[in-house]
Amino acid sequence: EADIYQTPRYLVIGTGKKITLECSQTMGHDKMYWYQQDPGMELHLIHYSYGVNSTEKGDLSSESTVSRIRTEHFPLTLESARPSHTSQYLCASSEFTTDTQYFGPGTRLTVL
Amino acid sequence: KQEVTQIPAALSVPEGENLVLNCSFTDSAIYNLQWFRQDPGKGLTSLLLIQSSQREQTSGRLNASLDKSSGRSTLYIAASQPGDSATYLCAVNLNNDMRFGAGTRLTVKP
Repeated sequence: EADIYQTPRYLVIGTGKKITLECSQTMGHDKMYWYQQDPGMELHLIHYSYGVNSTEKGDLSSESTVSRIRTEHFPLTLESARPSHTSQYLCASSEFTTDTQYFGPGTRLTVL
Repeated sequence: KQEVTQIPAALSVPEGENLVLNCSFTDSAIYNLQWFRQDPGKGLTSLLLIQSSQREQTSGRLNASLDKSSGRSTLYIAASQPGDSATYLCAVNLNNDMRFGAGTRLTVKP
């Protein structure tokens, strides 16, 4: 069973606030990902990392930033939240050898 | 640009039926293709991963096939159960650039 955690699960916040969505995995995976998913729509990759100190932007333009200081931790930060950031954010990790992605439960963000 | 399409968008079947979900993609230069299940309000659970060199993968009542040349994959579910009700997503991997379809929402009625 995959051990990948996201906090908070739900967040309602006002416009202009700085927020950090947490993602941790205990499987020792090198690769980690952040996706954005609107209801009933496909997932869009916003950031990924190959390992410590490695971060890359995905195909969806995003105003968020990420960091990878430790293998197990991949937080995503929004410096100034806006209503357009309202969405579900999913974190995932995978091994280099298998590429099977394991997903966290998601954070549902609402910006008022 | 890689596009991933899933047909049908929604499917409702009685319990016990065998069914096929379809996934098509426009760029055949993929590393692998993965099928996921997503329950409402939850994250994704990996079901099957097919490497580009493989033709199919099986796990229990699930069988996924891949035809790279035609840009198609199918997920076959045998003897469907109400617990199979969920949204099924396929995703193609283009060297760490994962592209997802919008999913097929499956309802299996008792």
